[in-house]
Amino acid sequence: GESVGLHLPTLSVQEGDNSIINCAYSNSASDYFIWYKQESGKGPQFIIDIRSNMDKRQGQRVTVLLNKTVKHLSLQIAATQPGDSAVYFCAETLSPPTVIFGTGTRLQVFP
Amino acid sequence: ETGVTQTPRHLVMGMTNKKSLKCEQHLGHNAMYWYKQSAKKPLELMFVYSLEERVENNSVPSRFSPECPNSSHLFLHLHTLQPEDSALYLCASSQGPLAVLYNEQFFGPGTRLTVL
Repeated sequence: GESVGLHLPTLSVQEGDNSIINCAYSNSASDYFIWYKQESGKGPQFIIDIRSNMDKRQGQRVTVLLNKTVKHLSLQIAATQPGDSAVYFCAETLSPPTVIFGTGTRLQVFP
Repeated sequence: ETGVTQTPRHLVMGMTNKKSLKCEQHLGHNAMYWYKQSAKKPLELMFVYSLEERVENNSVPSRFSPECPNSSHLFLHLHTLQPEDSALYLCASSQGPLAVLYNEQFFGPGTRLTVL
């Protein structure tokens, strides 16, 4: 299910460390953002979202930060685990309903 | 399991074949989507159906024909495809009115299509 053949940036981290995955979005009018995780052989899975009227949102072990000034989105994963290994990509949406996906970052977690 | 199933999981077809991809969602959602995920490109939205009406068609070639007979089922009919159409085709569903159509989407596992 991953973007096989796509040359994705790769982030390698040791188990237990924190991970930060970045995304530059394209449209300053985008008002809703989502992070997805895609494991090999599976479809994308929703992780966390954030609206443009917020700059931070926390979930279980994950935090999304939004910087509208520089059109930057980041996903922080605390205490990264081997099960977190996957491709992560962001999506931005705006009105009328339009969605744009990023190319993704491959996260590799080493024991 | 996300509640969205797709069949077949793998499909190999010739350029003159006609085949169909099927998607079914068991989540009671009212919007369904087809995406294409290919090498060297980000995920591409193809079609969106809300309450069984097509609300978006992202300049997809006519050799791809979607069908949404009810809110739980979505098909993608394929005809006279090209090798460059080889990709992973993903179906997704979501709940919500049109204004928030792209809120949390639940994806199926995809159909890996190879066109010879």
